[in-house]
Amino acid sequence: EDQVTQSPEALRLQEGESSSLNCSYTVSGLRGLFWYRQDPGKGPEFLFTLYSAGEEKEKERLKATLTKKESFLHITAPKPEDSATYLCAVQASNDYKLSFGAGTTVTVRA
Amino acid sequence: NAGVTQTPKFQVLKTGQSMTLQCAQDMNHEYMSWYRQDPGMGLRLIHYSVGAGITDQGEVPNGYNVSRSTTEDFPLRLLSAAPSQTSVYFCASSYSLTSDTQYFGPGTRLTVL
Repeated sequence: EDQVTQSPEALRLQEGESSSLNCSYTVSGLRGLFWYRQDPGKGPEFLFTLYSAGEEKEKERLKATLTKKESFLHITAPKPEDSATYLCAVQASNDYKLSFGAGTTVTVRA
Repeated sequence: NAGVTQTPKFQVLKTGQSMTLQCAQDMNHEYMSWYRQDPGMGLRLIHYSVGAGITDQGEVPNGYNVSRSTTEDFPLRLLSAAPSQTSVYFCASSYSLTSDTQYFGPGTRLTVL
């Protein structure tokens, strides 16, 4: 069974204080690893897909990286508008359904 | 485009009542799915559909029914609501089963007393 574990559960940052979120996974053959952002009271919003170890993707202050066992979402010089819950999900190569982690809630204080 | 829409936004039911959560998308997506989100847990797949007339079970299908008579609509029916079904429900769609990007609706917060 596919498993996705995200840490920490919550992260409080000062504006400009860079940090990283972790997503550890076990899957029988990875087709893709996905990062989503979820604001309170809203549905998840797609950020990135990573397909193979060593791949990196960037969007504004966010950078996602992938190894064979985990993915990191780096937040560089965060701003208050980066406050959200960040969800990680994996998709196995033999099953297109997504398995989600519980998320990391990031709060950035001005 | 309105994207993925869900109604109602909030609902309170009594144990044993039935209801239908509505989901519609205007992007001509073939793949649609229903998830539930509970505190401390990841989104869990309830049912999904790869096209009109085709549905299948996800990870937690018990107590829920779905049908897909049109490409646009994918309603989720609770047959006899139970307190364990108190959750936030999200509908999602994508161009196909293999598409990387799923678009999520705003969610329905359901409370079963």
